[in-house]
Formats: sequence, C-alpha cells, structure tokens
Amino acid sequence: QKEVEQDPGPLSVPEGAIVSLNCTYSNSAFQYFMWYRQYSRKGPELLMYTYSSGNKEDGRFTAQVDKSSKYISLFIRDSQPSDSATYLCAMSPPNQAGTALIFGKGTTLSVSS
Amino acid sequence: KAGVTQTPRYLIKTRGQQVTLSCSPISGHRSVSWYQQTPGQGLQFLFEYFSETQRNKGNFPGRFSGRQFSNSRSEMNVSTLELGDSALYLCASSRGLAGAPTQYFGPGTRLTVL
Repeated sequence: QKEVEQDPGPLSVPEGAIVSLNCTYSNSAFQYFMWYRQYSRKGPELLMYTYSSGNKEDGRFTAQVDKSSKYISLFIRDSQPSDSATYLCAMSPPNQAGTALIFGKGTTLSVSS
Repeated sequence: KAGVTQTPRYLIKTRGQQVTLSCSPISGHRSVSWYQQTPGQGLQFLFEYFSETQRNKGNFPGRFSGRQFSNSRSEMNVSTLELGDSALYLCASSRGLAGAPTQYFGPGTRLTVL
C-alpha cells in the first residue's frame, strides 16, 4: 500500500459545480497536509495547508482533514475553467529534519464552460 | 519577490552521459529540495539541502547527487544517465525552519534521455 493514495481521474465538471478532491493516507503520524495545483508544463503551486485535523477555508477553496479516517479533501466552490489543472495532495512525514513531502499522484480536473 | 528559478528548462541527453541542473531559491530561503516527477511514479523526493548541508535524502541511487552553495543556490547532478531518468525535475525552496513545511516550486527542468 502506498503511503498516499489519490484518484488520478480525470474529473470533468461544468462551470459552477462544486468539486471534491480526496486523498487517503496510511501513516497516522502525518502532521501537515497540503494541496498543490499544477498547470500543464508548470511547477506545482501551493494552494493551502492544514495542520492536524479540521477545516481551513480560503476563498472558493476549503481543505478538510479527518485524521481518524486518514482522509483529506479539497473542495472547490463555483468552479471556473481556470481551475482546470492537476491537483496534488502532499503530506509531511514526522520525525524528520528537513522538509520532505510525500505526494499523491494527482487528480486531473477539467472544468468546462 | 522573485520566485524559484531553474535552468535549463529543457535538456536532451543520451544514455551514459551526465547532467547538471541548477536552482535558485526565493530570496531569504535557505532550504532547497529536489523532486523527480514522472507519469508513473508522480512526485518523488530526491534530497534536501539546508545551509549547504544535505539534511534529508530520498530513496534514489547514488548516481543522483546535489550540492548547495553559500548563496543557497543548488545544483543537482545525475551521472551515467539511464532511459528511466527521463522526467521533470523540480526544485522547491522554503525557509527550512520549524513549522509548516511550505515549499514553493520552480517551473522544473524537463530531461529527456535518449
């Protein structure tokens, strides 16, 4: 079992839809949970991060962490064609100096106008 | 504030050659991490440098090496290239201090090995 699992999609939605992107993980000691967005031929861009469990909202984006289920989600409200990209979840392993992140393989999202 | 820059953006090499990639972090950031991204394996951590010292290392063979200079710029070297080394190589910079490991990525260097 991989440490972080993410459905690769592709996920296709109409403009204005609510999008739900998810990752599951196996290491219960993960502390930081991040979401990155990657456009084609670009590097990943940090969207938001959460620490431990709970919700965090930033504009149209909401990140949720459920540590009891080892499940994290990113919700996008009022999706726009400009949201079409690959979304990567990433987690920070514990007890390591430095900042090694473990990534999911990414979910490709397409929002049609 | 300028973002992370990587050079070159594209490289084509043949098997057996070696290659050096360069990364300039965001001003004030002392940590540089390198990742390999492939369609099959996704983003995989190579190593991290902080204040010129390798602080963390992923599970890659010794053909992959790196270094960091006093101005925090970093280079990554791959020797004896193999076809499977074809990938997008990304570097990410961060402050490298305790707390949230927020990393900011460069555009990547796309390496093709023929």
